[in-house]
Amino acid sequence: GQQLNQSPQSMFIQEGEDVSMNCTSSSIFNTWLWYKQEPGEGPVLLIALYKAGELTSNGRLTAQFGITRKDSFLNISASIPSDVGIYFCAGAFSGGGADGLTFGKGTHLIIQP
Amino acid sequence: SAVISQKPSRDICQRGTSLTIQCQVDSQVTMMFWYRQQPGQSLTLIATANQGSEATYESGFVIDKFPISRPNLTFSTLTVSNMSPEDSSIYLCSVVKGGQETQYFGPGTRLLVL
Repeated sequence: GQQLNQSPQSMFIQEGEDVSMNCTSSSIFNTWLWYKQEPGEGPVLLIALYKAGELTSNGRLTAQFGITRKDSFLNISASIPSDVGIYFCAGAFSGGGADGLTFGKGTHLIIQP
Repeated sequence: SAVISQKPSRDICQRGTSLTIQCQVDSQVTMMFWYRQQPGQSLTLIATANQGSEATYESGFVIDKFPISRPNLTFSTLTVSNMSPEDSSIYLCSVVKGGQETQYFGPGTRLLVL
C-alpha cells in the first residue's frame, strides 16, 4: 500500500516557539489534509489543500501542498499549551472525497511551559 | 462540516463475541468510511460503506470479520466479529459531504477485548 512518511515523530518545545512538521509520499496525492487528535477524541480537520503549490493558513497554522504533489508541511507559529496533541497528515488520490485517506504516523507535540 | 456520533463510545468485550458500532450523521452525506486506530498508532482505512450495496474493503480486511451496513445516507454500522485481543482499537467513522473534498471524523469507539 501507499506510504506516508511523517516527521518528526515527536517534538518537545517551549511555549511560544514555532513548530514545523512534514509528510512525504512515494506517490502523488491530489488532496492533502492535516488533522489534530487529542486524547479521547477523533481527528479534527485543521487545513485542507487541493492544489499543488497551494499555501493555506488557519490562524497560527500554515500548510502547503508541495509542487511535486508528494509532500506537504504544516507550521504552527507561537505555540500555546492547547496546541498539544497528535498531528496527522493524510492524503487522498481522488478529488471529491471518493477515496479513503492514507494517514501518516503522526507527530506528537509536547509543549513545556 | 457534519455532526457525527458513534455508539457505543467505549466497550470491554470478551474474546469470541461480536460488537456492532453505530455511526449517525446529522445530515445526508455522500461517502462514509470506517477506520481503525490501534493503540498509539495512526489510522488505517477498513472499508468504504456503500449505501444499499456491499462495502468496499481494503487489503487485509474482510467482510466476514468486519461486516458493514449502510441502509441510508446518514447511518452506518460496523461489526467486529469473533473478537480477539488484537482487535482492541479505536474504531472511527468518517464522512464526506457532497461538493466537499474533506473527511470529518466521529469521536471514535474505544474497544478493549479481554
